[in-house]
Amino acid sequence: AQTVTQSQPEMSVQEAETVTLSCTYDTSENNYYLFWYKQPPSRQMILVIRQEAYKQQNATENRFSVNFQKAAKSFSLKISDSQLGDTAMYFCAFMKLGSGDKLTFGTGTRLAVRP
Amino acid sequence: GAVVSQHPSRVICKSGTSVKIECRSLDFQATTMFWYRQFPKQSLMLMATSNEGSKATYEQGVEKDKFLINHASLTLSTLTVTSAHPEDSSFYICSARGGLRVTDTQYFGPGTRLTVL
Repeated sequence: AQTVTQSQPEMSVQEAETVTLSCTYDTSENNYYLFWYKQPPSRQMILVIRQEAYKQQNATENRFSVNFQKAAKSFSLKISDSQLGDTAMYFCAFMKLGSGDKLTFGTGTRLAVRP
Repeated sequence: GAVVSQHPSRVICKSGTSVKIECRSLDFQATTMFWYRQFPKQSLMLMATSNEGSKATYEQGVEKDKFLINHASLTLSTLTVTSAHPEDSSFYICSARGGLRVTDTQYFGPGTRLTVL
């Protein structure tokens, strides 16, 4: 079974600064996808970014980028120019291809952006 | 982006009663829907996967007779918590996938908070 670990329960960053959230995972699979989801106080889960394991290039979405280290099984999320609206729980998630598209979530990191 | 709604957003019921939660994809047809459970300050745990017109696939440890899932149309899935007990109190979240590829994005509903007294 796959496991996803987020070792930082809480993080804090000053507005406009950059913050990196950590995620590691354990799998013996070679074909999989990794995701970062955001859950703001409204509780609505929102996809932030996704990465295909077969792609070496790190995914980017505007202010959000990942550092995907396949050999190290590491998938960190960098948020640049942090905004107050970035305050939320962030979940790292893993999906094995052929698993019926099941998402396995980490325990989450609560990010607070300070004004 | 695609929108998924859930109803009700919050429900309080007495122990022993049944509660139905609806999950709707508002602007796309969802071939597959997923039901998750989230305890306070914890992560999401997948309960079951449902495909339109077929029986749901439950994760290990989830009682299928207690958590009844129906996916009767491409825009609606329901989760019924039967004979609810206080330990069933939780936040229930659905997600829906519109495309046929397993890698198509899952869109999440806003969740339903169930409190069983």
